[in-house]
Amino acid sequence: KQEVTQIPAALSVPEGENLVLNCSFTDSAIYNLQWFRQDPGKGLTSLLLIQSSQREQTSGRLNASLDKSSGRSTLYIAASQPGDSATYLCAVLEGSGGSNYKLTFGKGTLLTVNP
Amino acid sequence: KAGVTQTPRYLIKTRGQQVTLSCSPISGHRSVSWYQQTPGQGLQFLFEYFSETQRNKGNFPGRFSGRQFSNSRSEMNVSTLELGDSALYLCASSTDRIRAFFGQGTRLTVV
Repeated sequence: KQEVTQIPAALSVPEGENLVLNCSFTDSAIYNLQWFRQDPGKGLTSLLLIQSSQREQTSGRLNASLDKSSGRSTLYIAASQPGDSATYLCAVLEGSGGSNYKLTFGKGTLLTVNP
Repeated sequence: KAGVTQTPRYLIKTRGQQVTLSCSPISGHRSVSWYQQTPGQGLQFLFEYFSETQRNKGNFPGRFSGRQFSNSRSEMNVSTLELGDSALYLCASSTDRIRAFFGQGTRLTVV
């Protein structure tokens, strides 16, 4: 059974700092890994998607890496801003034989960026 | 292009009642998945529908059911509500079953 773990559970940093969020998963048979952002009481916003054959993806100040063999991913946020404050969720997409697709999520990292 | 729309946004029900939640996917998306989010368990997969057929189901009791219509809109039903069913229910749609786009969720409170 796939398990996804995110460390740390919470992180508080001053504005402008670069930071790294970590995600690990137990079963490397994944199709992709996605990072999402969730604001309080809201839905999920997709930030980055890394296919299983890729090593990293970048979007603006965000960079996500994937090491499938070791079951690890990191989300790097450069020059953090108060608007980055949210919960960041990591999820892996698994399935077999082209069916049974489902996302398995970590419990998230609550990020607070202080002005 | 409109995003994933979930209705209602908030719902309060009494134990023992049943509830139906609705999800309208992004136009052209044929896959709809449902997730339950609670503070203790995080996000957990409920089920996925693709072209009106349930393709995958999570580990939830039979009180949780769903369906998908020919226009890809999906409904989720929970019967005999329990206090533990209080959660944020999220729906996601996808065109290729690979990249998911989530709605804003329905906050269900059972009292």
